[in-house]
Amino acid sequence: AQSVTQLDSQVPVFEEAPVELRCNYSSSVSVYLFWYVQYPNQGLQLLLKYLSGSTLVESINGFEAEFNKSQTSFHLRKPSVHISDTAEYFCAVSDRGNQGGKLIFGQGTELSVKP
Amino acid sequence: DTEVTQTPKHLVMGMTNKKSLKCEQHMGHRAMYWYKQKAKKPPELMFVYSYEKLSINESVPSRFSPECPNSSLLNLHLHALQPEDSALYLCASSQGGSWEKLFFGSGTQLSVL
Repeated sequence: AQSVTQLDSQVPVFEEAPVELRCNYSSSVSVYLFWYVQYPNQGLQLLLKYLSGSTLVESINGFEAEFNKSQTSFHLRKPSVHISDTAEYFCAVSDRGNQGGKLIFGQGTELSVKP
Repeated sequence: DTEVTQTPKHLVMGMTNKKSLKCEQHMGHRAMYWYKQKAKKPPELMFVYSYEKLSINESVPSRFSPECPNSSLLNLHLHALQPEDSALYLCASSQGGSWEKLFFGSGTQLSVL
């Protein structure tokens, strides 16, 4: 079975500051890793994912995450945040052997960007 | 069209009512999902349909009854719900594999009185 731990439930940060949202996972099998974002009153949107290959993955809006197998982590970073990045961020894992697309989500991190 | 459309957006029902939530996608996705999300919590998987057949039921109470009439539609029939069932119900779809991106609808905010 897999589990996901997001170490910070809330992260307040000022606009244009860097931010890191931490995610650790536990699994007895190889996994795929994802970050989803949820803006207020909306569903979730995929931000980025790690399947294989380069351990550093990037999104189109400046976020990046690095897969670290030895530390079983997949932390999300952005060098300079905007007010519009305020949202709930969920880290998720999926079993590579599972063909059903079942995602296990972490508890979420609320990113609050202040002017 | 890369949207998953859910109706209604809001629903208030009594414990003796019967209602249905609807979800539609026209992306040709072969897998569709129902998730339940409580406030300030992550989504919890309820059901997965793959090729219109129920493939995962996460031990959901029988007062929730899913239905997949065709590859584009997913329904969730509700009967005799409890107040603790009040939550945001999210539908999602994907091409199918566990590596695939899930496309989520905006959800139905359900209140059970």
